[in-house]
Amino acid sequence: SQQGEEDPQALSIQEGENATMNCSYKTSINNLQWYRQNSGRGLVHLILIRSNEREKHSGRLRVTLDTSKKSSSLLITASRAADTASYFCATPIAGKSTFGDGTTLTVKP
Amino acid sequence: GAGVSQSPRYKVAKRGQDVALRCDPISGHVSLFWYQQALGQGPEFLTYFQNEAQLDKSGLPSDRFFAERPEGSVSTLKIQRTQQEDSAVYLCASSPNNYGYTFGSGTRLTVV
Repeated sequence: SQQGEEDPQALSIQEGENATMNCSYKTSINNLQWYRQNSGRGLVHLILIRSNEREKHSGRLRVTLDTSKKSSSLLITASRAADTASYFCATPIAGKSTFGDGTTLTVKP
Repeated sequence: GAGVSQSPRYKVAKRGQDVALRCDPISGHVSLFWYQQALGQGPEFLTYFQNEAQLDKSGLPSDRFFAERPEGSVSTLKIQRTQQEDSAVYLCASSPNNYGYTFGSGTRLTVV
């Protein structure tokens, strides 16, 4: 079974709106990472949040981490059509990262 | 190079054929990972190397799968006697410190 699970599986919004996707995990972590994957391409690392951090920002991205609930959220503000992609959370365990099945985000122009 | 390079980009193999997938990581990256991604799913861990040492191969689905990184740089994932269920995208990633991976674009393997 997957360590990380993203929710929702699919999300469709209008350009300019905010998109929020969530990740739940099962075991204790040192850090949690979010990745983006455009169709037919490899994954691109977006942001890493450490277990002692509660919130982190990078441009239009905001990530939160709640270790007590074993969950994280990724917020994309002022979405653009180019944000259309699948988003994955990953949690490194014993040197390797485990990915969920992702949230597929569609931003309509 | 500037990124992780994988070749070939696409591979069609007849069932029973052996295939070899190549990964050129970013120069100096100690860690190298192989993942398998089925359509509509997240990447599934196959194996990882630290330099030339294969530290974890627990994700390899069968003994038909073999990976090597003999000089601690380029890695090859070999699949023997391919079967239809091996059809997937095979992703390679490298990292200097396990804290953020750089992925290649993957090799899409189709077994017919």
